[in-house]
Amino acid sequence: NAGVTQTPKFQVLKTGQSMTLQCAQDMNHEYMSWYRQDPGMGLRLIHYSVGAGITDQGEVPNGYNVSRSTTEDFPLRLLSAAPSQTSVYFCASSRRGNNSPLHFGNGTRLTVT
Amino acid sequence: AQRVTQPEKLLSVFKGAPVELKCNYSYSGSPELFWYVQYSRQRLQLLLRHISRESIKGFTADLNKGETSFHLKKPFAQEEDSAMYYCALHRSNFGNEKLTFGTGTRLTIIP
Repeated sequence: NAGVTQTPKFQVLKTGQSMTLQCAQDMNHEYMSWYRQDPGMGLRLIHYSVGAGITDQGEVPNGYNVSRSTTEDFPLRLLSAAPSQTSVYFCASSRRGNNSPLHFGNGTRLTVT
Repeated sequence: AQRVTQPEKLLSVFKGAPVELKCNYSYSGSPELFWYVQYSRQRLQLLLRHISRESIKGFTADLNKGETSFHLKKPFAQEEDSAMYYCALHRSNFGNEKLTFGTGTRLTIIP
């Protein structure tokens, strides 16, 4: 099993450009989520999904969109990139239910100039 | 609102010395707590969860509801313990929907 796969690993965007960060998991997990990791801020939840067709906002959703058309995929879209979105982005998945651990992808390092 | 506090951004410990990474939380309900670890060039991964009451790689963590703490401890630090450690809390009965992470502690073991 590949687990959680994120692409790309690195990306540089100019302010105002849009792009999609891809996330796929092959563990049939119902729950998927996106976090951003910033120095001194820890991991902050952007959006999450508890199943196909269901998404909800996390702590810092502004400037990002998500969709969940299949169980496996949970792409994160930046509509109009801003320098404040420079960060490392992590996708994670888990089974639903208490104490199910999150499985993380390797991360995408995004720089917006 | 739930909140997780890790007061130390950086912690350096000599090899063989005891390690304690602090984690405090605020939550009015029954908490479910985890420690995640990120080693250099590796993805974040679960280290341990309080419900399991287990010891992983020599680390233990005890939930103290009176002090609202979930400190991570190891009696004798090893060089391979150098990593970034995150404490995380999620609300019981809601799965991982509101998993809240602390800001993390970077642990460096000095040879």
